[in-house]
Amino acid sequence: GAGVSQSPSNKVTEKGKDVELRCDPISGHTALYWYRQRLGQGLEFLIYFQGNSAPDKSGLPSDRFSAERTGESVSTLTIQRTQQEDSAVYLCASTRGGGGYGYTFGSGTRLTVV
Amino acid sequence: GQQLNQSPQSMFIQEGEDVSMNCTSSSIFNTWLWYKQDPGEGPVLLIALYKAGELTSNGRLTAQFGITRKDSFLNISASIPSDVGIYFCAGQRPGGQNFVFGPGTRLSVLP
Repeated sequence: GAGVSQSPSNKVTEKGKDVELRCDPISGHTALYWYRQRLGQGLEFLIYFQGNSAPDKSGLPSDRFSAERTGESVSTLTIQRTQQEDSAVYLCASTRGGGGYGYTFGSGTRLTVV
Repeated sequence: GQQLNQSPQSMFIQEGEDVSMNCTSSSIFNTWLWYKQDPGEGPVLLIALYKAGELTSNGRLTAQFGITRKDSFLNISASIPSDVGIYFCAGQRPGGQNFVFGPGTRLSVLP
């Protein structure tokens, strides 16, 4: 597509439930990133996918967080047993290659855990 | 924790004024990016810098990659109301694949 598409745009969930967030990158972009943005804060790196290489999971805050991507297509970020501190905007970005091309971001999924 | 510092945290300026903000780090970066984020949207890339000392313009925006590779600044000339938003710097360390983001500078433009 023309841009990075994320769904849902908003998600309200009860504490303890699992959630799945979806990201559709720009066609042909081999690299895909997930970031978390808490209210009034900067962006916190979560995970990076590059082609078929093993993902860089160094930013995932706990084992409740996981992400998958098949090839160079859609990615899903899963948060299990959600906690209130998981409330944030989750941003996905893609780029033509790893390294310094700069990302194109989606509009994010605003997650609220009640 | 944050590895990039941005200043000022927020600023209020009159329409037509010039704006200057900067981003500093204790680490060396190979690439600097400047993004703007509007409410409810993802950040949008404004300027990318790839070489120490590089000075790049995009319309009324000018950014420079510091000689020490530990800082960058962004200038906006003749501000207009649509410049309102949060400006983030992001840096990529040597050998790194992801970008580290600063906490942002929130810009408000008064008519």
